Amino acid sequence: DTGVSQDPRHKITKRGQNVTFRCDPISEHNRLYWYRQTLGQGPEFLTYFQNEAQLEKSRLLSDRFSAERPKGSFSTLEIQRTEQGDSAMYLCASSPVPVAATNTEAFFGQGTRLTVV
Amino acid sequence: AQSVTQLDSHVSVSEGTPVLLRCNYSSSYSPSLFWYVQHPNKGLQLLLKYTSAATLVKGINGFEAEFKKSETSFHLTKPSAHMSDAAEYFCVVTWGTGGFKTIFGAGTRLFVKA
Repeated sequence: DTGVSQDPRHKITKRGQNVTFRCDPISEHNRLYWYRQTLGQGPEFLTYFQNEAQLEKSRLLSDRFSAERPKGSFSTLEIQRTEQGDSAMYLCASSPVPVAATNTEAFFGQGTRLTVV
Repeated sequence: AQSVTQLDSHVSVSEGTPVLLRCNYSSSYSPSLFWYVQHPNKGLQLLLKYTSAATLVKGINGFEAEFKKSETSFHLTKPSAHMSDAAEYFCVVTWGTGGFKTIFGAGTRLFVKA
């Protein structure tokens, strides 16, 4: 399968614990995005990488959240000291760098569903 | 500021009848517009995209959308609904260099009755 893969698919954790999610983008895609989706809402942008550089972070990304893409390939999203409000689906997407200023679509993984109890 | 409004949170149609999912947008830039579909327990899938070429865009599974700048709309249509179309649909605006800035609408849940 050459699509975007995310691991784990589901995570249940106790409040206050740290969790880490992994995303493997489509191999030739330079851009990688993280989104959060809560029930009944559309995905909300969290952060964006081009290669290994984190170029944009949403105000939604509090100090407890950190994302890395150390070698410009896979990425990790860590949440420290989880809170019940962090319960959501965390989506990863990737896209190639666009050609001729045409915006390209993103390809999404199936997401990691986090439940904080 | 950029925004996306999906005018209906739920739409219910009978199988074989037309589908209309409405989306209005606001953008200070020349946006690119997309429709994605999300089936339960599956990832978001691109249906179609508008990137300043033809204003009538055809997508997968018989869906199409028309970009109307004067109305700031990008409504999604399909002539005849199928049971397999039941899903959540998201209208998306992107802007910025290469479109890395993104806003999703809140989504429209499409129900298809037999």
